[in-house]
Amino acid sequence: AQSVTQLGSHVSVSEGALVLLRCNYSSSVPPYLFWYVQYPNQGLQLLLKYTSAATLVKGINGFEAEFKKSETSFHLTKPSAHMSDAAEYFCAVSEREGTDKLIFGTGTRLQVFP
Amino acid sequence: KAGVTQTPRYLIKTRGQQVTLSCSPISGHRSVSWYQQTPGQGLQFLFEYFSETQRNKGNFPGRFSGRQFSNSRSEMNVSTLELGDSALYLCASSQTSGVHNEQFFGPGTRLTVL
Repeated sequence: AQSVTQLGSHVSVSEGALVLLRCNYSSSVPPYLFWYVQYPNQGLQLLLKYTSAATLVKGINGFEAEFKKSETSFHLTKPSAHMSDAAEYFCAVSEREGTDKLIFGTGTRLQVFP
Repeated sequence: KAGVTQTPRYLIKTRGQQVTLSCSPISGHRSVSWYQQTPGQGLQFLFEYFSETQRNKGNFPGRFSGRQFSNSRSEMNVSTLELGDSALYLCASSQTSGVHNEQFFGPGTRLTVL
């Protein structure tokens, strides 16, 4: 069964600093990988997704992620954190192409300090 | 275009009761999925429906059921509520299902079981 592991349940950065949120996947077949963000009292919003095209994926709000097969990783980065980036971030994997079913990681709460 | 709508937003029930949650997808979307979000278990997949057919089901007891109507609206029902059913229930919709279609999440229904 496919799964994703997010290292670090909490990450704190200063405004303007690099954001790095880690995600490793476990899959025996090429995975489809996603990053979602959840703001307080809201649903999930898609930041970006990897579907076997370019390994460097650019998303919304200045976020990007790189698919590294050799490391089974799909880490999320943003060069310069903004206060508005404070939220919970979820990495997810899809079992196969013809389904919406997602398997989520446990989430990483990002705090941004002024 | 209106987003995914979930009603009610908040619900308080007592153990043993049953509850029905409703999800209205984005107009034109035919696929609806449901997830349960709890602090302990994180985000877990419940069901996926496409054109009134259940395509996928998560590992939940039979007390959890769902359906989709011809207008793509979906409901989920939980019978004989337990304290552990307290959670945020999220609904997501997409146009046709599959990783190449973006899923849009609703704000969720927060269920509290007393």
